[in-house]
Amino acid sequence: GENVEQHPSTLSVQEGDSAVIKCTYSDSASNYFPWYKQELGKRPQLIIDIRSNVGEKKDQRIAVTLNKTAKHFSLHITETQPEDSAVYFCAASSGGSNYKLTFGKGTLLTVNP
Amino acid sequence: NAGVTQTPKFHILKTGQSMTLQCAQDMNHGYLSWYRQDPGMGLRRIHYSVAAGITDKGEVPDGYNVSRSNTEDFPLRLESAAPSQTSVYFCASSYRVAGTYHQETQYFGPGTRLLVL
Repeated sequence: GENVEQHPSTLSVQEGDSAVIKCTYSDSASNYFPWYKQELGKRPQLIIDIRSNVGEKKDQRIAVTLNKTAKHFSLHITETQPEDSAVYFCAASSGGSNYKLTFGKGTLLTVNP
Repeated sequence: NAGVTQTPKFHILKTGQSMTLQCAQDMNHGYLSWYRQDPGMGLRRIHYSVAAGITDKGEVPDGYNVSRSNTEDFPLRLESAAPSQTSVYFCASSYRVAGTYHQETQYFGPGTRLLVL
């Protein structure tokens, strides 16, 4: 089955700096890669996603890049703010009838003012 | 729309007791899943359903049962709770757009924090 590795497990940056979180996946059939943000005590919420037919997607300060050949994808947050502090999860899905989404173990991002 | 709702928010059980965690969605989504979230383990799917009357096992199904009698509700049953089932449980709904472009976005409920003593 699919295996998703996420690094780093913790990341601390200064406000205004950029943050990068990387994930690798094992199933070459995976074609959908969402990123979720989970604030303390809250539910995971989708912040951005990308499909295998594009290499990059951007939404204001966040962007995701995908390298299908190397089977890895990354989340980039620019101009970080304290409210960006949260746990971020990457995930991968190959579609199919079982609709499985495999999650990475998460990255705790701390943005220091 | 309320989206995905879950009850209760928090519950304490004793080992061996049974309990049902409730999940409901009002977005007319076909797909519903239950996940458990444990520190350092990410989100792991317990059971899922692609439509009313159809359920299947996820990666960690042991000790849990589900049913899906309609589109809206997807209860998770713990028949005989164990301390290893102490966790935060999330229900999530999603949909698939007809055609060649599949949309697997998961919308999560607020979660149920369960403590088994």
